[in-house]
Amino acid sequence: GAVVSQHPSRVICKSGTSVKIECRSLDFQATTMFWYRQFPKQSLMLMATSNEGSKATYEQGVEKDKFLINHASLTLSTLTVTSAHPEDSSFYICSASPSGTGLFSNQPQHFGDGTRLSIL
Amino acid sequence: AQKITQTQPGMFVQEKEAVTLDCTYDTSDQSYGLFWYKQPSSGEMIFLIYQGSYDEQNATEGRYSLNFQKARKSANLVISASQLGDSAMYFCAMREVDSSYKLIFGSGTRLLVRP
Repeated sequence: GAVVSQHPSRVICKSGTSVKIECRSLDFQATTMFWYRQFPKQSLMLMATSNEGSKATYEQGVEKDKFLINHASLTLSTLTVTSAHPEDSSFYICSASPSGTGLFSNQPQHFGDGTRLSIL
Repeated sequence: AQKITQTQPGMFVQEKEAVTLDCTYDTSDQSYGLFWYKQPSSGEMIFLIYQGSYDEQNATEGRYSLNFQKARKSANLVISASQLGDSAMYFCAMREVDSSYKLIFGSGTRLLVRP
């Protein structure tokens, strides 16, 4: 079945460091990928939609300069948390659907296993 | 206004019994899709079941079934014959008519299966 790989699974780093998280679709092409953030015991909040070959679409309240998204190929999107601070500590998870998936397709979004980011 | 509402923060069920997790949604679109995902403590999101707004029959996938009541805008998940491994967070999500196909999630329900 469709697989999305997310790396790294866990990051612990000092305040002020920039952290890059990769999201790869392993056996399908994805024109669009999604980045979510999840605080403990809360739901997934969509941060941005990553579009291959064009700029990401950010949700309201998400800082574009803080969370840089690059979708340079049909199988890879990256999220870079720039100059990370303790308040950026969270669980980040990406998802993707195969290109051409129709709105009414029962093809779900496939999620990576998430990245647990801890900023000291 | 909340697009997806899950009113049960936590639920208990006895092993081997059935349990219903509630989900109501709000949309003005005629065309949309509804999903349920399971999230164990390890964090990964596991797709369980899908219901399209035009599907006339309730979706079923093994022990999972979706009680879809379109007029009430509800899409409750029914898990039959609960197992200990079903203990997890469960999220209801909706995909609307939108070029980006993004999912909007509810707040989730934590299910605990008792032996």
